[in-house]
Order: sequence, then C-alpha cells, then structure tokens
Amino acid sequence: AQTIHQWPVAEIKAVGSPLSLGCTIKGKSSPNLYWYWQATGGTLQQLFYSITVGQVESVVQLNLSASRPKDDQFILSTEKLLLSHSGFYLCAWSRDWGNTGQLYFGEGSKLTVL
Amino acid sequence: AQKVTQTQTSISVMEKTTVTMDCVYETRDSSYFLFWYKQTASGEIVFLIRQDSYKKENATEGHYSLNFQKPKSSIGLIITATQIEDSAVYFCAMREGRNNNNAPRFGAGTKLSVKP
Repeated sequence: AQTIHQWPVAEIKAVGSPLSLGCTIKGKSSPNLYWYWQATGGTLQQLFYSITVGQVESVVQLNLSASRPKDDQFILSTEKLLLSHSGFYLCAWSRDWGNTGQLYFGEGSKLTVL
Repeated sequence: AQKVTQTQTSISVMEKTTVTMDCVYETRDSSYFLFWYKQTASGEIVFLIRQDSYKKENATEGHYSLNFQKPKSSIGLIITATQIEDSAVYFCAMREGRNNNNAPRFGAGTKLSVKP
C-alpha cells in the first residue's frame, strides 16, 4: 500500500527566515507529485507539480520554490518567509501518465509566520 | 479556463438525514473528471468519490452518491443517513482532459455540520 508522509507537522517561523517542507511517498514508483497551499478556511491552491525526478513545474509561485531530488521525495522551500506564507501546505500524489488526476494527500504541514 | 464553484458556504443537518451539496463547473474540454474530497477538523483530506465525464451513470460509494447533470455542468454530492462523523468541509474538484499532469482545481468548499 502507498503511504505519503509530510514533515514537519507544524512550524512557527519569523518573517525573513528560511523554510523547508518535505514530503515522502512510499510504495509507488514514479508518482506525479503536487504541492497545494490552503489559507485558513480557504480552498486548495495548487503551487507546483512534478512528474519526474529533477523536473518541477510552477503553477503559482508565491515566492516559493520546489524540488524533487528523489523519485519519492518532494521539497518546498523559500529563503525568506513572508507573512502571507502562513497557512496549510499539502503534498499529494497521483498515478502517472494516463491518470484521472485523483489525488492522495499527506497529513499536511501547518505554517505560522510571525 | 476551468472553474469550480461551490455556493453553499455551510450546511447544518440533523443526524440520519440526507444532505445534498452543490457544485457547478466550467470547462471547454469534452473529457474531464470530477471529484469530491472531505477535509476533517485535523486537516486530513480524503478522496470520497469520482465521476468520469463520459459515464452517464451516477457514481456511488457507500453512503455517498453523485447527481451528475452534464447539461447543467453540475455535480452534486449526496450523503444519505448522515452521521456525526460526516461533519467536515467538502471540496468539489475537476481535472480536465486525459493523459496530462495537471492537478484538479478545487472549489471553495462547503462546511457540513451534522447535529445529534
């Protein structure tokens, strides 16, 4: 069975500090991977997606970047946090080519920027 | 461009009743996929049910079913015999096309409260 794990569960960071959020998928080779952002009480906004190692496509940047260093790992980061970065970050995976887009989500990482 | 609209911000129902949540979508593609997801209070998001645009039959999954009205670009979620544990935020989502890697676009969500 496939599992997806995000880390950290929650972070409280200062404006201007760096950030790194991670996501690992086990039990599925070559998944499509996605980062979503959710403001409190809001909808899910897609940020990035990746179909293979080393390739990441940006949908909405929000002064963030993403990388896929391994087949099963997806990293979201920034060198300087803004107040607007606060929210809930969700990593998700879907099957590769020919998929319907059905997503399986991680537990999420709650970010508070002060 | 694709768009997903959920106009009901929140719904409150009594336990063991049936509830319907609305969702309308816009797309130029003839092939698309529609989803409903549930987000619990902990933030966990789980997939509930999917409707493929080319299928005429409404999808069902346990006590979830869909009311797919293609001419109206509408995909309603029906929950029968609601339980307290169904209290959550429900998101409608759509993914256009086949064989691409675009992720689904989500609606604003509907908060469901089930009361005893």
